[in-house]
Amino acid sequence: GDSVTQMEGPVTLSEEAFLTINCTYTATGYPSLFWYVQYPGEGLQLLLKATKADDKGSNKGFEATYRKETTSFHLEKGSVQVSDSAVYFCALRDDGGGNMLTFGGGTRLMVKP
Amino acid sequence: GAGVSQTPSNKVTEKGKYVELRCDPISGHTALYWYRQSLGQGPEFLIYFQGTGAADDSGLPNDRFFAVRPEGSVSTLKIQRTERGDSAVYLCASSLRPDSEQFFGPGTRLTVL
Repeated sequence: GDSVTQMEGPVTLSEEAFLTINCTYTATGYPSLFWYVQYPGEGLQLLLKATKADDKGSNKGFEATYRKETTSFHLEKGSVQVSDSAVYFCALRDDGGGNMLTFGGGTRLMVKP
Repeated sequence: GAGVSQTPSNKVTEKGKYVELRCDPISGHTALYWYRQSLGQGPEFLIYFQGTGAADDSGLPNDRFFAVRPEGSVSTLKIQRTERGDSAVYLCASSLRPDSEQFFGPGTRLTVL
């Protein structure tokens, strides 16, 4: 079945540091890929997405590129802020097999001033 | 505009009791999803409705779990004979169409004592 693996946290960075959160996936079909973010006390929000190989999703300074050859969708940001502190979830939707999302376990990011 | 709402926000019950969790999707959204998020993990799919019918209930863990969406809008997740292992945050999401962005509600935190 489909699965998503992402790096375990917590990830602790200083403000303005470079961020990478690794995500790899296994899917039987042709998935769309997503990053969701959960800020403290809030619900899940879509951060960015990519629907086909080599697509780059971007939002709020975050980027992720759909790499079919390595089955990866790593999240990056060049300069993190304290306000980026949250839990980040990588997810896939297997568009050939259904519409539900399959999530990774989440990575907690803590950014210190 | 109103997002996805879920009631109650917290529910504490005793082992063996019956509970109902309610989800009000965004108006006009035809697709509705239930997920369960255990502590420190990513959300796991339970069931997906397209209109009034359950299009995919493959994620329901056993026959104690049941969900309905009788008029194609509000949905209720029903859990019979609750067990301590059912304790989790139950998330509802809706989307305009099955292949469009899913918007998540704040969740219902269920605690089974």
